[in-house]
Amino acid sequence: EAGVTQSPTHLIKTRGQQVTLRCSPISGHTSVYWYQQALGLGLQFLLWYDEGEERNRGNFPPRFSGRQFPNYSSELNVNALELEDSALYLCASSLAESQPQHFGDGTRLSIL
Amino acid sequence: LAKTTQPISMDSYEGQEVNITCSHNNIATNDYITWYQQFPSQGPRFIIQGYKTKVTNEVASLFIPADRKSSTLSLPRVSLSDTAVYYCLVGDVTNYGGSQGNLIFGKGTKLSVKP
Repeated sequence: EAGVTQSPTHLIKTRGQQVTLRCSPISGHTSVYWYQQALGLGLQFLLWYDEGEERNRGNFPPRFSGRQFPNYSSELNVNALELEDSALYLCASSLAESQPQHFGDGTRLSIL
Repeated sequence: LAKTTQPISMDSYEGQEVNITCSHNNIATNDYITWYQQFPSQGPRFIIQGYKTKVTNEVASLFIPADRKSSTLSLPRVSLSDTAVYYCLVGDVTNYGGSQGNLIFGKGTKLSVKP
């Protein structure tokens, strides 16, 4: 069974640009979660999608947004990139809400 | 989502049993307790989940006392490859209200296993 896959693995952008990160959940999983992990810090919750709908979001500005497609894959969009957006962005999926989350290995985003 | 408190770091030697305790005084009735392991530059890996008493799988055991205000992850006979950060998660983002900040997984416990 394939795990959660994320693309790209690494990305370099400059301030003010926009970026789209992609996530494919484990087959059969309907919930997708996004987290930000800045260097040396814990996982900060960004967004939770289930059945195509945004169910919850963390305390992040509106320039962080996303969506979930009918096949349950998901995109995270970040507009007007700032230096502090440099981080590892992790996607996770679960079979249903409250089930254990299974993570991909993330996208490393560097802002110059 | 209950706030959790774990030791920041722990040291151990190969072959020893390691117990990591997580405090969660505000656990809700329907909250499960889940532990994850994270290596550098990788996503967390699910280890074990439980609700009460004891749960065991092929890699770890989870002990939860009757009041459920704490839990202990037990790793038998650790090896160098168990060096990682371990996170305790109580509840999940389905009941996240935002008032406790974004650190759903807390700060974790950095376990260092020495030869």
